Amino acid sequence: NAGVTQTPKFQVLKTGQSMTLQCAQDMNHEYMSWYRQDPGMGLRLIHYSVGAGITDQGEVPNGYNVSRSTTEDFPLRLLSAAPSQTSVYFCASTSSGRGTDTQYFGPGTRLTVL
Amino acid sequence: AQSVTQLGSHVSVSEGALVLLRCNYSSSVPPYLFWYVQYPNQGLQLLLKYTTGATLVKGINGFEAEFKKSETSFHLTKPSAHMSDAAEYFCAVFTNTGNQFYFGTGTSLTVIP
Repeated sequence: NAGVTQTPKFQVLKTGQSMTLQCAQDMNHEYMSWYRQDPGMGLRLIHYSVGAGITDQGEVPNGYNVSRSTTEDFPLRLLSAAPSQTSVYFCASTSSGRGTDTQYFGPGTRLTVL
Repeated sequence: AQSVTQLGSHVSVSEGALVLLRCNYSSSVPPYLFWYVQYPNQGLQLLLKYTTGATLVKGINGFEAEFKKSETSFHLTKPSAHMSDAAEYFCAVFTNTGNQFYFGTGTSLTVIP
């Protein structure tokens, strides 16, 4: 198993550009989520999904869109990038979204918005 | 709503000394509690978790944590620090009513030779 994979590893955008961060898992996990990590702020939840076709907002959803058309993939879209979205983004998955499950993290995408 | 507080954004210990990283949580319902470790330029890796049952939880790499409901705490300890323990540590809480993981702001552990 590859686990949770994320692409790209690094990305530089100009303000106003759009892009999609890719996340995939091969563990047949139902629950997937996106976090951003900023210095001194820990990880903050952006969006999550409890299964294909079902998404919900986390703590900091503004400026981001998600969709979940398959169990395996959970892309994160930035519609119009802003410097405030400069961050490291992590995708994670758990088998069912219950608290007893282990959450597996991808290696992260480091995004810079100029 | 749930929240997690990690006291001390930076902790330094000598090699061989006790490691103590503090975590307090706020939750109106029984929580599930986690400690994760992050090495530089990597994702997070689960160290240990408390779900139900025994309140003293043992994890990987010699770490353990104790759930104390009366103190709403879940502090992480290791009897003897190794150089390889230098990393950032995150405490997290999950509740079935909230259906989300909430993370603390992290504690960076430095081990001094």
